[in-house]
Amino acid sequence: KAGVTQTPRYLIKTRGQQVTLSCSPISGHRSVSWYQQTPGQGLQFLFEYFSETQRNKGNFPGRFSGRQFSNSRSEMNVSTLELGDSALYLCASRRGGQLPQGLGYTFGSGTRLTVV
Amino acid sequence: AQKITQTQPGMFVQEKEAVTLDCTYDTSDPSYGLFWYKQPSSGEMIFLIYQGSYDQQNATEGRYSLNFQKARKSANLVISASQLGDSAMYFCAMRDGASGTYKYIFGTGTRLKVLA
Repeated sequence: KAGVTQTPRYLIKTRGQQVTLSCSPISGHRSVSWYQQTPGQGLQFLFEYFSETQRNKGNFPGRFSGRQFSNSRSEMNVSTLELGDSALYLCASRRGGQLPQGLGYTFGSGTRLTVV
Repeated sequence: AQKITQTQPGMFVQEKEAVTLDCTYDTSDPSYGLFWYKQPSSGEMIFLIYQGSYDQQNATEGRYSLNFQKARKSANLVISASQLGDSAMYFCAMRDGASGTYKYIFGTGTRLKVLA
């Protein structure tokens, strides 16, 4: 079956611009989360969505926002880009609900964003 | 607050030998889950193994096993018979036990290099 698909794979933006990243979860998965990975800060949690509702948000400024659609696809948006936003952005999905914890996330390959 | 610590930034192992990657954790939640992920240079996070806090036995998945020592709060990953394809970053993660959410807290990772 298809895995988690993230588009685009690579992106170069200029400071001050905005960007939208897309994530298509595995079919049947209703929970989607986003993580930012940088060499300095490591992997940091951005958002968690379940059935179009944001259930949790990490410690990021308001420039970072996201949403989930009725088909479980998710987008995240970063406005007024800064150099420090350069990172690998990973999306992950799981079926959600009261499932054994071992059924963890399946991650996509990420979108590598470079801000110049 | 929950925390994951990986103290080995980098490790080398000879092909076909076993290697142990260290992970210690801190949590006050009696119910938690520990995960190990592999991240090759392509960026995708690949799930390897899971250990629940109430599991009586150490988890095993093929060549991967988890040495779970609850009293010491450690969850070390053991890779037996290392292969060249095992060269990658390895992350230990813990599920944040907050009710109704499902997010990971990651360690800083260990870069493993398998030598021919």
